[in-house]
Amino acid sequence: DGGITQSPKYLFRKEGQNVTLSCEQNLNHDAMYWYRQDPGQGLRLIYYSQIVNDFQKGDIAEGYSVSREKKESFPLTVTSAQKNPTAFYLCATGAGTSYEQYFGPGTRLTVT
Amino acid sequence: EDKVVQSPLSLVVHEGDTVTLNCSYEVTNFRSLLWYKQEKKAPTFLFMLTSSGIEKKSGRLSSILDKKELFSILNITATQTGDSAVYLCAARTGTASKLTFGTGTRLQVTL
Repeated sequence: DGGITQSPKYLFRKEGQNVTLSCEQNLNHDAMYWYRQDPGQGLRLIYYSQIVNDFQKGDIAEGYSVSREKKESFPLTVTSAQKNPTAFYLCATGAGTSYEQYFGPGTRLTVT
Repeated sequence: EDKVVQSPLSLVVHEGDTVTLNCSYEVTNFRSLLWYKQEKKAPTFLFMLTSSGIEKKSGRLSSILDKKELFSILNITATQTGDSAVYLCAARTGTASKLTFGTGTRLQVTL
């Protein structure tokens, strides 16, 4: 069963704690992306990775970190330095630079 | 700074109506324009447009790109309640396949 899985679906944390969001894919796609979506807004790119062991900052990388140790996995850590972490986080994959991106089901993070 | 603007922000129509959603972009190193439909969670892919003037069609949905005027439209004919969703457009730029998204158009189709 091919696809992108994100876990957990809902996550609650207290302010000041780091939290890691999981993204796993079995589509054999090289590229993986993390986006953040706030109410009434479009998606904003946090980090992306085109190949294992390499990743680049997107438009809003401050307060976030990622790793890409395996092709299938691209976890996102929301650190305590992120000033407004409550949002809907979407992971996406892409087969290559000429192809569309496929999105996972998302994780809704609430920090209080 | 790359920018994608969608209009209208929201729209309410009756079932059976035809709607046109607009997307304009100002980006560097433009590669293609993508449309997605977002109902509750994950956006699902609709179209990718790379060339000007060539209409892409899927059922009641169609889309076209104008690279000279830097905009795209998404048309939905004979709308149904199942078309209710947020429609997102995104411009792909650069060799890394980065997407810059607009804020979306929220479409509500009523009976």
